[in-house]
Amino acid sequence: EVQLVESGGGLVQPGGSLRLSCAASGFTLSSYEMNWVRQAPGKGLEWVSHISSSGRTINYADSVKGRFTISRDNAKNSLYLQMNSLRAEDTAVYYCARDYSTYGRFDYWGQGTLVTVSS
Amino acid sequence: QSALTQPASVSGSPGQSITISCTGTSSDVGSYNLVSWYQQHPDKAPKLIIFEVSKRPSGVSNRFSGSKSGNTASLTISGLQAEDEADYYCCSYAGSNTPWVFGGGTKVTVL
Repeated sequence: EVQLVESGGGLVQPGGSLRLSCAASGFTLSSYEMNWVRQAPGKGLEWVSHISSSGRTINYADSVKGRFTISRDNAKNSLYLQMNSLRAEDTAVYYCARDYSTYGRFDYWGQGTLVTVSS
Repeated sequence: QSALTQPASVSGSPGQSITISCTGTSSDVGSYNLVSWYQQHPDKAPKLIIFEVSKRPSGVSNRFSGSKSGNTASLTISGLQAEDEADYYCCSYAGSNTPWVFGGGTKVTVL
């Protein structure tokens, strides 16, 4: 069974850092492109970052560029999101999502991890 | 990198059909047949229901269908059921720099 399990969320002060993890099971992570998508409380989905299967191609939303870093460890079947210089507007549930086909077919999502940026 | 435009809410009675629009630009929806749709129930993760404009994943009801004309994609739910009450989001490829953009979401209410 394919599963994605996020962890690492929590309460952090503005300007602080947090590292999210996404543990994949039931499939070989190295074969798939992966994404982080977030959802602020009561708001819609926002794409955050993408990483190719090899890790060589990486993209970020303008809202997080220069502050967030996506990475993956295919040997550990894990995806990461390092978040620095956090702002109140980064408060959201963060989901990792698998892209089945490279063409935006986000077929599996984790349950999400909540990041709260507040003093 | 503006969000795609969706109506905030759409409602219908059981058995009826409803259509949700998703309007983008010639840089995203209009240029690529890479529009997907996601259903999200409260406090749940999104679920893929349509990909590549009109394709349905295995296990998704054929009551869900997708289409596209110009810069606007559409999701139609036919034979509306109580379980269809949820939020729906479109997503489109938007180019190699910032590849994915979501719509603002549409809340579907079954009357």
